[in-house]
Amino acid sequence: DAGITQSPRYKITETGRQVTLMCHQTWSHSYMFWYRQDLGHGLRLIYYSAAADITDKGEVPDGYVVSRSKTENFPLTLESATRSQTSVYFCASSRRERTDTQYFGPGTRLTVL
Amino acid sequence: GNSVTQMEGPVTLSEEAFLTINCTYTATGYPSLFWYVQYPGEGLQLLLKATKADDKGSNKGFEATYRKETTSFHLEKGSVQVSDSAVYFCALTNSGGSNYKLTFGKGTLLTVNP
Repeated sequence: DAGITQSPRYKITETGRQVTLMCHQTWSHSYMFWYRQDLGHGLRLIYYSAAADITDKGEVPDGYVVSRSKTENFPLTLESATRSQTSVYFCASSRRERTDTQYFGPGTRLTVL
Repeated sequence: GNSVTQMEGPVTLSEEAFLTINCTYTATGYPSLFWYVQYPGEGLQLLLKATKADDKGSNKGFEATYRKETTSFHLEKGSVQVSDSAVYFCALTNSGGSNYKLTFGKGTLLTVNP
């Protein structure tokens, strides 16, 4: 039972480079989410997806791109990384119910130099 | 819009002390309420939840009651352990539509000393 996984777990990159963070879940959950966690801000939603090929912006989408061609994968791309995107990124998934739990991956710590 | 306010940390307690972490929310309608916990170096995991007014969520000795009249969902535990040291997040989901986004509080760091 793999659950939800993220890769890489740690990434160091330079300003201006493109970076893709991967997220994979094995439950066939409809919903998937990307959050970033920063000190003093808690978790903020970047993008979410209700199903394959359906994505929508969250609270802080600028500078990020997502896609969801398959139900189980939800990659997050930083098209041109900036220092302000240094953060810990969490992927999560849930079923199609308002009361359902969101299950979180272990996180990716991204540092942009 | 929706918002969650939880008490500022850090909170430092001795083992076996009583814990309360306050959480209040602003939302339209009837949101579902959650407490998530994040242990050092890990992702978030659900601690407990309540989906309607007066519901009590409980897990691992932690409890929280959904109080609509005071728009609160305070987390309590009667006797904390060192292993409870973590960051605790209060959160809610929208009450209507097809949007199941979580809105989080900023988190409260709890440190329990032996």
